[in-house]
Order: sequence, then structure tokens, then C-alpha cells
Amino acid sequence: EVQLVESGGGLVQPGRSLRLSCAASGFTFDDYAMHWVRQAPGKGLEWVSGISWNSGSIGYADSVKGRFTISRDNAKNSLYLQMNSLRAEDTALYYCAKDMTMELPGRDFDYWGQGTLVTVSS
Amino acid sequence: SSELTQDPAVSVALGQTVRITCQGDSLRSYYASWYQQKPGQAPVLVIYGKNNRPSGIPDRFSGSSSGNTASLTITGAQAEDEADYYCNSRDSSGNHFYVFGTGTKVTVL
Repeated sequence: EVQLVESGGGLVQPGRSLRLSCAASGFTFDDYAMHWVRQAPGKGLEWVSGISWNSGSIGYADSVKGRFTISRDNAKNSLYLQMNSLRAEDTALYYCAKDMTMELPGRDFDYWGQGTLVTVSS
Repeated sequence: SSELTQDPAVSVALGQTVRITCQGDSLRSYYASWYQQKPGQAPVLVIYGKNNRPSGIPDRFSGSSSGNTASLTITGAQAEDEADYYCNSRDSSGNHFYVFGTGTKVTVL
């Protein structure tokens, strides 16, 4: 059974940093690209960032480019999102999602975690 | 970046058919995928590619596309289909990988 478990969310002040993690199991992690997708309270889905199977291809939404860094550790079956210079508008539930292919641009997100909540507020 | 526009809300009588549309320039080049999200839950992929359903998704869900519009059809809607539905596709602007639609709330009456 595929499982994606996010962690690392919490309350953080504007301008500070936070690192999210996603622990994957139930599939061969290094065979697939992975993504972070977020959802602000009461709002729609927003793709944040994606990374190919070997970290050779990485992409970011304009809204986070230069502030967020995605990475993965295939030996630990883990995906990460380093978030710096956080803003109030980054407040959201952050989902880890598995792609159906190895490379970026990929295809579709066939499995999602339950999300970790990030709240940016003073 | 590209945008994908959906109607905010639609309603359907139990057992009837409802079509949800998604409009955007990127759909002229790429297929849309569709995600169902129920309150307090993570999104679930229901349609991908030309018209493919992941394992476990009922065959009352189907997808189609024409020009700049993609559609998700629920034939014989059930009470458990009440949810938010989001389309998604590659971004044709060249700067990003993906864009999500604005979302449609489906109410089953």
C-alpha cells in the first residue's frame, strides 16, 4: 500500500524558515518524480514544486521561486521542502504527491499524503 | 502562467448526469487530469490522460476534451460523489510545470 506521510508543519513567524518532510512507503521511491501541492484555508489547490526521480529536474511555482527549495533522499525514501522567508500568504496545508512518471514535466499525481499545516503569523 | 477556469458550483439530482468543465489555453496541448476532494480529505485522482481511470474509481466517471475545454462527466451521480473537483494540466507558458483549475463544488440533490 502506497503511503505518503508529511511532517514538519507548524506556526512560524513571517520571515522565518521551516522544513517539511514526506516519508514514502509502499512503492519504489526512486522510480518516480514527486511534488508538493498546497491548499490555503478554504481555497483551491496550488502546485508548489516538483522534482524528478534523480533530482536532475526541478521546478517551482513563481510564488515560491527563490524562497523554497525541494530535495529528496532516495536512500531514505524521503522528500523535503525547505521554506525560507515565509510570508502570511504561504499559510496552507502542504501535500506531498507522487507522480506517475520518473521525469519532469511529469504526468499526474496518483497518490497524495494527508498534508501538514503551515501557519505563518506573528 | 496559464489559467484553468471552472464553474464554481453545479448541482445534480441523484442518479442523473452532470458535466464539469475546465477551460484554458494549455488544454489545446495537454490532457487534463481530474481530482476529487471531499471535506477534510486529500485529493484523489479520478481521471487522467485521454480518459483513464485509476484502479478503484467507478466507471461512472469519464473524461473528454475538445479544443481548450476538458470535461469530467459523472453518469448516474451518487451521494458519495458530492465533493470539490479540480482539473489540472501541464502549463503551456513554459515557466512552470503544472496548473490547477479553480475548482467546482458538486452537490448531489
